[in-house]
Amino acid sequence: KNEVEQSPQNLTAQEGEFITINCSYSVGISALHWLQQHPGGGIVSLFMLSSGKKKHGRLIATINIQEKHSSLHITASHPRDSAVYICAVMGGATNKLIFGTGTLLAVQP
Amino acid sequence: NAGVTQTPKFQVLKTGQSMTLQCAQDMNHEYMSWYRQDPGMGLRLIHYSVGAGITDQGEVPNGYNVSRSTTEDFPLRLLSAAPSQTSVYFCASSYPGTSEQYFGPGTRLTVT
Repeated sequence: KNEVEQSPQNLTAQEGEFITINCSYSVGISALHWLQQHPGGGIVSLFMLSSGKKKHGRLIATINIQEKHSSLHITASHPRDSAVYICAVMGGATNKLIFGTGTLLAVQP
Repeated sequence: NAGVTQTPKFQVLKTGQSMTLQCAQDMNHEYMSWYRQDPGMGLRLIHYSVGAGITDQGEVPNGYNVSRSTTEDFPLRLLSAAPSQTSVYFCASSYPGTSEQYFGPGTRLTVT
């Protein structure tokens, strides 16, 4: 079993829909990262969380440390949100990241 | 700031050839790491460094060497390329501790 599990693996939405991507992990962590990767592109950091909730524009990330679960929400989705969204956890006292396999999101106009 | 830069962007090697993937950052980050990304798998850590002169192995280090002679540069060397090393390679940097990660644009390597 992977230490970081994301669901769903693939997601197709219509423009304007509210989207949720989930991440569960099985190890103790110091922080959780949400990353975005466009097709053929590099990886961009969206959020780093150690507790609670963060919001940036139409993106919201939450984390529940007790349940070892995080969610990434996209409100009013747009085709430009189409990308792979990756959850990664940072364990213990190091900067080592453990990555999920990603969620491929396609937002159709 | 240029952020994290990687060269080359694309490379094709024949089995047995050696090469160095370059990674540089201008943010004075102490922590640098190399990952490979393969279809259906999460990024996997190859090697990492917590500062100049200090390197350590990650999850999949075999067939790769690294060195960290300066804070800015963290090259990844493929000693004798194998088809199993066909992948997309990402370099990343950050400050120590819980810190935002900065990724390079990636190097797409094909070994034939």
